[in-house]
Amino acid sequence: GAVVSQHPSRVICKSGTSVKIECRSLDFQATTMFWYRQFPKQSLMLMATSNEGSKATYEQGVEKDKFLINHASLTLSTLTVTSAHPEDSSFYICSASDQGGDTQYFGPGTRLTVL
Amino acid sequence: GQSLEQPSEVTAVEGAIVQINCTYQTSGFYGLSWYQQHDGGAPTFLSYNALDGLEETGRFSSFLSRSDSYGYLLLQELQMKDSASYFCAVMDSSYKLIFGSGTRLLVRP
Repeated sequence: GAVVSQHPSRVICKSGTSVKIECRSLDFQATTMFWYRQFPKQSLMLMATSNEGSKATYEQGVEKDKFLINHASLTLSTLTVTSAHPEDSSFYICSASDQGGDTQYFGPGTRLTVL
Repeated sequence: GQSLEQPSEVTAVEGAIVQINCTYQTSGFYGLSWYQQHDGGAPTFLSYNALDGLEETGRFSSFLSRSDSYGYLLLQELQMKDSASYFCAVMDSSYKLIFGSGTRLLVRP
């Protein structure tokens, strides 16, 4: 149980385009989903917390207009990187927690490369 | 501020026991988690300690001392496949995870 999927697993795009990443909880209802970014050989940095049906809460330094998060249902959250630039190239990972909240289950990640 | 400290690298031989320590300083604390991450992969949940003491799951054990703001992950009977990065992470009072910088474990034959 507690499987989280992400799509796509890998994406390459041109500078200035937008990319949407989906995060789904497959066998449980995720009241909260989290989006992380991880640069090579670094730790995971939380970007934002998203609760179903409400606006996402962004961490300090994360541009909410650049990283659009939608959490339309209890099983789906999306992250859209708008007007992507090479410095946005990173490994984006989502996680989801159920109503208990004390364990986060991570998706397999999406590797974004912006040319 | 919030910070977690763990060693950057640890090397051990196959079959040995290794302990990865984590000290933390955070504004809120619900529990300490440990995650394993292989190169190119996503983190995999290993353990969670909310209370003081030792939690054992197979070859892996995790310990927490809340009064010392300290925990460790103990890996026994090391196998080559255990070579990976290990992250400690504190769950704060808003259920957010704050990750340490990670410990790269290299298991040698």
